[in-house]
Amino acid sequence: GQQVMQIPQYQHVQEGEDFTTYCNSSTTLSNIQWYKQRPGGHPVFLIQLVKSGEVKKQKRLTFQFGEAKKNSSLHITATQTTDVGTYFCAGGPSVYSTLTFGKGTMLLVSP
Amino acid sequence: EADIYQTPRYLVIGTGKKITLECSQTMGHDKMYWYQQDPGMELHLIHYSYGVNSTEKGDLSSESTVSRIRTEHFPLTLESARPSHTSQYLCASQGQGDQPQHFGDGTRLSIL
Repeated sequence: GQQVMQIPQYQHVQEGEDFTTYCNSSTTLSNIQWYKQRPGGHPVFLIQLVKSGEVKKQKRLTFQFGEAKKNSSLHITATQTTDVGTYFCAGGPSVYSTLTFGKGTMLLVSP
Repeated sequence: EADIYQTPRYLVIGTGKKITLECSQTMGHDKMYWYQQDPGMELHLIHYSYGVNSTEKGDLSSESTVSRIRTEHFPLTLESARPSHTSQYLCASQGQGDQPQHFGDGTRLSIL
């Protein structure tokens, strides 16, 4: 079956440093979605990428979808303590399939 | 914020009890999902439904069962709870096509 891998599993940064998490799928994805889960909370949708090579920005967050639609990345510039949480990527081979979630990257930001 | 509700929020109960976790959404979404998640760990899909009277098992084998008699309601039942069922259970719903999933606050279940 489809596998979605995320690295790193965990990262601890100082406030102001940059952060990147990478997502790789064993199969081509129809789209990639990113979610954020705060400690004790539930996953919250951040963004969806659909096109090959697509890049989207949300303030300090930059999301990329690879040319082959098998990998993606989330980059946070100048992290803040409010960025703390676990970031999950998720995707499926078609719009009719269930989402496969990566294992997530837990981000800890020290002030 | 999406309108999807889970009850109870927390449940501590003894082994052998029958448990039903409730999930309701008011968005008219056809697709609904149940995930199991241990603290700080990945999401495991255990059940999903693409509409009324349609239910499927997910990737992770689970001893729970689900039903979908109404569009807005997707309860999950454990006939006989065991300590191995201790986890957080997250319900989600999704609109047409590849729209994002909206998650409830989850039920933290602890079986003694």
